[in-house]
Amino acid sequence: EPEVTQTPSHQVTQMGQEVILRCVPISNHLYFYWYRQILGQKVEFLVSFYNNEISEKSEIFDDQFSVERPDGSNFTLKIRSTKLEDSAMYFCASSGQQGGNQPQHFGDGTRLSIL
Amino acid sequence: EDQVTQSPEALRLQEGESSSLNCSYTVSGLRGLFWYRQDPGKGPEFLFTLYSAGEEKEKERLKATLTKKESFLHITAPKPEDSATYLCAVRGIGDTDKLIFGTGTRLQVFP
Repeated sequence: EPEVTQTPSHQVTQMGQEVILRCVPISNHLYFYWYRQILGQKVEFLVSFYNNEISEKSEIFDDQFSVERPDGSNFTLKIRSTKLEDSAMYFCASSGQQGGNQPQHFGDGTRLSIL
Repeated sequence: EDQVTQSPEALRLQEGESSSLNCSYTVSGLRGLFWYRQDPGKGPEFLFTLYSAGEEKEKERLKATLTKKESFLHITAPKPEDSATYLCAVRGIGDTDKLIFGTGTRLQVFP
């Protein structure tokens, strides 16, 4: 069964450094998302992306964050200058269609640890 | 603001002991309610989508139901491999495409 793949599985970075999290969505999907889950808390929406544009972003997704689809298969999340509070699991998701009752399919995440 | 509340936070069952997990939601126009399973260190795995009150979906030992205010995930004769955190998420009219998640119910099934 097709799946969303994320790399790396664990990223350790010094505070203030830039980090790029990578995702390969399901191949025929057109809608892409990033969520994060701080340890012990809810899964929270960060950003949605379609047709090479951000469709929606949350308050968490400030100027330190950016997303890109650099080629036909990858979808990336960049954090420019990491903070301690950015430590979390980051999940990529994709969907074949937008909205309504269409499910989003998630990868297994990247655990980001900021030191 | 759209909200999702799940109960109980944790549930311990003996193998074969059926039970239900609750997801209460407040949303301005439900466009979809989703159940996911999350194993430790893994991403949410899609289980069901529900859209209309009265709708039911089944998969093996799991059955999801939906009313206008809540959804239940019924687990019949659970096995230890059903142990996981079960997440409920909603998408409302005002949410465009994002999912609003609850905190989940951590289920442990003992042999």
